[in-house]
Amino acid sequence: NAGVTQTPKFQVLKTGQSMTLQCAQDMNHEYMSWYRQDPGMGLRLIHYSVGAGITDQGEVPNGYNVSRSTTEDFPLRLLSAAPSQTSVYFCASSFTPPQGAVYNEQFFGPGTRLTVL
Amino acid sequence: GESVGLHLPTLSVQEGDNSIINCAYSNSASDYFIWYKQESGKGPQFIIDIRSNMDKRQGQRVTVLLNKTVKHLSLQIAATQPGDSAVYFCAENIKGSARQLTFGSGTQLTVLP
Repeated sequence: NAGVTQTPKFQVLKTGQSMTLQCAQDMNHEYMSWYRQDPGMGLRLIHYSVGAGITDQGEVPNGYNVSRSTTEDFPLRLLSAAPSQTSVYFCASSFTPPQGAVYNEQFFGPGTRLTVL
Repeated sequence: GESVGLHLPTLSVQEGDNSIINCAYSNSASDYFIWYKQESGKGPQFIIDIRSNMDKRQGQRVTVLLNKTVKHLSLQIAATQPGDSAVYFCAENIKGSARQLTFGSGTQLTVLP
């Protein structure tokens, strides 16, 4: 299994440009999520999905869109990039916890380092 | 401010010594806590977790302690090795929040030879 893969690894954008960060997992996980990590800070949740066709907002969703047309893929779209979106972006996935369980371990991808000029 | 925070941003220990990394949380509704390790240029990697109905949980060379009275979490690493050098994050899941995690800002652990 490749686990969670993200492309590209690095990206430089100009203000106002759009792009899509790709995330894929081959573990048949129902739950997928996107985080951003800024220097000296922990990860903050952008958007998440509990299954194909279902998405919801996290802590910092503004400026980002997501869709979940398949179980495997969860792309993150920046519609009009801003310098404030310069960050490292991580995608994560996990199984749905079994009934009665609280949580399941999330597996993280290697990240995409995005710079917006 | 963030719900989960760390007392110290950096920690240096001698190889072979034990390390203790601390974390405070403020949301009494949190029912699940996780420690992640993040090496430079990589994504976070799960270390150990603990549910709120537990006080202590042990793994291989790692122990997590949870004190709900003072809302404090700690990660103990026994016989710290050079490969343990990384940033360590605690994260909490608030009950009913659909597996959303709130992360602390991280502690940089440096193992000295």
